[in-house]
Amino acid sequence: DIVMTQAPLSVSVTPGESASISCRSSKSLLHSNGITYVYWYLQKPGKSPQLLIYRMSNLASGVPDRFSGSGSETDFTLKISRVEAEDVGIYYCGQLLENPPTFGGGTKLELK
Amino acid sequence: EVQLVETGGSLVQPGKSLKLTCATSGFTFSNAWMHWVRQSPEKQLEWVAQIKAKSNNYATYYAESVKGRFTISRDDSKSSVYLQMNSLKEEDTAIYYCTANWAYWGQGVMVTVSS
Repeated sequence: DIVMTQAPLSVSVTPGESASISCRSSKSLLHSNGITYVYWYLQKPGKSPQLLIYRMSNLASGVPDRFSGSGSETDFTLKISRVEAEDVGIYYCGQLLENPPTFGGGTKLELK
Repeated sequence: EVQLVETGGSLVQPGKSLKLTCATSGFTFSNAWMHWVRQSPEKQLEWVAQIKAKSNNYATYYAESVKGRFTISRDDSKSSVYLQMNSLKEEDTAIYYCTANWAYWGQGVMVTVSS
């Protein structure tokens, strides 16, 4: 199985500042079709995961453009610009390149 | 508005069975690839099972941890997907979510396996 490793475990951010979360996969997530199958989710407290970024850098519908995704074949970054109170929660990266789909352990974002 | 609503969660004893239902609306269910994902009390997300669309012959896939015990199915006429869970173990305790194409998620349902 592909292992997804996130860092840091938690991050504390001042509102208005930016935050970055890293994710590394144990195998290249670049498909032969040129698409990199890494996804980012935010799970707000008491809620289900919501899709933020799909295929490494595509913003999901309704997601503010303060969120952006980037990376290479195995190293990925989620950047949140101008962090707001509504961004608090646990962020997960996931790989959907091959079965079984796997997820990182999560990064908890809180406000200072 | 897209909605996915899971039902059927409960407290059950080890070895027993349970069936989860995910009723959906607001998108073209018949074309969607549906998944069940669970989240442990430690917050780790684990994919459980997938069922593809009719055009893909309703192909199904399972995590090794549930293979032979869980069965995923769907009823396109009801826009619903199901998870039949047999021979439940304590380690199956989790919140179970259904998701459509990894984009839409339900609110989750709690399954607790304990004697």
